[in-house]
Order: sequence, then structure tokens, then C-alpha cells
Amino acid sequence: SQTIHQWPATLVQPVGSPLSLECTVEGTSNPNLYWYRQAAGRGLQLLFYSVGIGQISSEVPQNLSASRPQDRQFILSSKKLLLSDSGFYLCACSPGQGNYLYFGPGTRLTVT
Amino acid sequence: AQSVAQPEDQVNVAEGNPLTVKCTYSVSGNPYLFWYVQYPNRGLQFLLKYITGDNLVKGSYGFEAEFNKSQTSFHLKKPSALVSDSALYFCAVRRLSGGYNKLIFGAGTRLAVHP
Repeated sequence: SQTIHQWPATLVQPVGSPLSLECTVEGTSNPNLYWYRQAAGRGLQLLFYSVGIGQISSEVPQNLSASRPQDRQFILSSKKLLLSDSGFYLCACSPGQGNYLYFGPGTRLTVT
Repeated sequence: AQSVAQPEDQVNVAEGNPLTVKCTYSVSGNPYLFWYVQYPNRGLQFLLKYITGDNLVKGSYGFEAEFNKSQTSFHLKKPSALVSDSALYFCAVRRLSGGYNKLIFGAGTRLAVHP
């Protein structure tokens, strides 16, 4: 079964600083990968998804970007963080056309 | 467009009593529906799904959900609540976009089970 690793687990960054969050997946190949953001401990917003290396689709315009340099690696980045980027970032995967998602443990980002 | 709504921000129930967490959906075509649970500062855990077949779906930790097409609902239920069931619960619907699966989540319902 799939295992998803995310790091760091928590991060405190000043406004205007860069960001790099990493997600790696074990136990599957060629998964669909997703980045979600959860603000204020409630709803989940889909930010990006990827169906293969170098293939990224963005759901909402924002200050963030994503990259998939390897089959089981998904990176969330920003050049300059905003206060509104604070939240709990969750990486998820689904095996190919699988019907549901497996979630990683999440990264809590606080922008100060 | 596919969406789900969770009308309750919080549900309070006494331990041992039955619990229900409500979810209604809006989809075109046949819905693929899911329930996830989130414990504090953790990722989401899959509980159960409805794709087709029996309207009553059984999942993890003794939870079940009833798909009701006429009421466009997919309520989560458990016959006897435990304090350890206290968590944040999300209903979700699958959305196909460009041939790829995405899950669209509700706002979440916080379940508090009191001893």
C-alpha cells in the first residue's frame, strides 16, 4: 500500500521568504499526485495536481507553484511568501485512475 | 459542477449514543462519494466510499454511510459513538476533469463525543 512522506512537518517563515515543501510517495508507480491546503483547520482546497513527471495543473491562481521532477516526488514552492499562505498543506496520491486518495501527514506552515 | 455540503459545523453526541454526520451532494451523472476523517494535526484517513451497489456502505472503525439518491444525501453514521471518534469529518465527491480524478471536499464537520 502507498506511504506518503512530507517534510518538514512544521515550518515558520517570514513574509517574503521562499518556500519549498516536499512530498514523496512509496509503494506505487505513476500515481496521480495532489497538493491541498487546509486553512483554519477546516475546508480543503485543491491547489495542484499532477498526472506524470513534469505535468502540473493548477486549480486556483495564487502565489504558489508545483513541480514533479520524479515520478514519486511532488514539490510545492513559492518565491515570496504571503501571510495568506499560512495553513496546513497536504500531499495526496491516487494510483492511476484510482477512485480515492491517500493523504500524507501534512506540513503546517506559519508565515509571520 | 460537482460539490458537497456539510450543513453542520459541529455535532455533539454522548458516548454510546448513535451518531450522524450529514452530507448532501450535487453532481451531474452518477456520484462517487467518500468520507474521510482527520485527527488533530494529521492527514486525512479514508473511511468509506460509495461508487455503485448497495445504498448502505460499511467502512472503517464501525462507520457506515447511507446513499440516498432521492434526497441527494450521503450521511455518515455509527450505531454507538466512542470518545475516540472525536475528530473532523469530511465528505467528498469525485470530479472528473480532463479525464483525471479530483476530490472536492466539504467544509468539514467537527464531531465531539462526550463521556
